[in-house]
Amino acid sequence: NAGVMQNPRHLVRRRGQEARLRCSPMKGHSHVYWYRQLPEEGLKFMVYLQKENIIDESGMPKERFSAEFPKEGPSILRIQQVVRGDSAAYFCASSPVIAGVGIADTQYFGPGTRLTVL
Amino acid sequence: DAKTTQPTSMDCAEGRAANLPCNHSTISGNEYVYWYRQIHSQGPQYIIHGLKNNETNEMASLIITEDRKSSTLILPHATLRDTAVYYCIAPPAGGATNKLIFGTGTLLAVQP
Repeated sequence: NAGVMQNPRHLVRRRGQEARLRCSPMKGHSHVYWYRQLPEEGLKFMVYLQKENIIDESGMPKERFSAEFPKEGPSILRIQQVVRGDSAAYFCASSPVIAGVGIADTQYFGPGTRLTVL
Repeated sequence: DAKTTQPTSMDCAEGRAANLPCNHSTISGNEYVYWYRQIHSQGPQYIIHGLKNNETNEMASLIITEDRKSSTLILPHATLRDTAVYYCIAPPAGGATNKLIFGTGTLLAVQP
């Protein structure tokens, strides 16, 4: 069973360009989470999505960042007009549906995409 | 999330047991305790979780005190590959969000 897949693993963009980060969850998982880790800092939650729905985007910057998880295909984290401060490792995690259980589902993380903005 | 407190760093000799403590005195009755680790530059790795009873899997054991105010993650025979930052997290139970709040964790350095 393949784990969470992220691509690209490394992405270099110049200031003002767009960055698209993709995440394919584990088979059977319908919940996706994005986290960001700035250099020398901890992991910070960004957004939580289910298929075609954004459930919690409380950690997303107000501008330039968006996320989607379409019915078909991977989840996409999109950063428009990147700036140097966007340089970070972006991790995606997925979890299965546990119907009727009020606990936080175990999240399984991908290897991350390292974004460098020149 | 219930607030968790962990030591900043710990050392352990290779082959010995590594015991990583975590305080979560504000944890509520239905909040689980999760442990993840992050080896340098890699994605976080799920280790184990528990509610009340002690748990064991192929990676580690989790000992939770009876009052649930603290827990200990045990790596029975630490290897150099276990050098990582270990995070103890108590995410909120129920509700609409399942986000994990990562603190600073414990940097475990396994020494040869």
